[in-house]
Amino acid sequence: QSVLTQPPSASASLGASVTLTCTLSSDYSNYKVDWYQQRPGKGPRFVMRVGTGGIVGSKGDGIPDRFSVLGSGLNRDLTIKNIQEEDESDYHCGADHGSGSNFVWVFGGGTKLTVL
Amino acid sequence: EVQLVESGGGLVKPGGSLRLSCAASGFTFSRYWMHWVRQAPGKGLVWVSRVNSDGSSTNYADSVKGRFTISRDNAKNTLYLQMNSLRAEDTAVYYCARSLGGLRDYWGQGTLVTVSS
Repeated sequence: QSVLTQPPSASASLGASVTLTCTLSSDYSNYKVDWYQQRPGKGPRFVMRVGTGGIVGSKGDGIPDRFSVLGSGLNRDLTIKNIQEEDESDYHCGADHGSGSNFVWVFGGGTKLTVL
Repeated sequence: EVQLVESGGGLVKPGGSLRLSCAASGFTFSRYWMHWVRQAPGKGLVWVSRVNSDGSSTNYADSVKGRFTISRDNAKNTLYLQMNSLRAEDTAVYYCARSLGGLRDYWGQGTLVTVSS
């Protein structure tokens, strides 16, 4: 079973809201998760980190207020309000798994967000 | 402005070698741990390797252990990935990312490695 699970696709209309889900495997319910936005042909861009209490630290540079996160149980969700064309991207969640010599940085499979 | 610029990708035959570079600017490179992450065409992100701030400690994904070597030159603000015994499944865009306190907040634009005969 994967540590992080994301649905492969999501869609929303211009100006609407969408919640992208990132679900932790049950053994890792205390993990903090980072969200990354990846526009076509570009490198990933840090959005923000989320734990069970919500955002951890600050948003990434230039991330609009329309982006927010919520952490509850095994879910570490990213919500985008008032969706714009520029939000059409792949969204990846990632987390540290293990430590020391057993360290692995794991990712969900990514969700492709289409703006209708 | 923080910049990470990867280079060194290209077409290589199976069994061949390649060295990737990641040139850093706009921040104090020697304070940061650095990572390599790859993305096969149309696929998700996969972590490859990390190195601590002074280069004395490294970690690797099982899929590349024994074949890839991560290193850095803090005097040149550059991160490297030496890739040997390349396989078709190593074909991907390779990204470098910086990390401070476990937070990876900047990535490069990537360099494409294609392993094919």
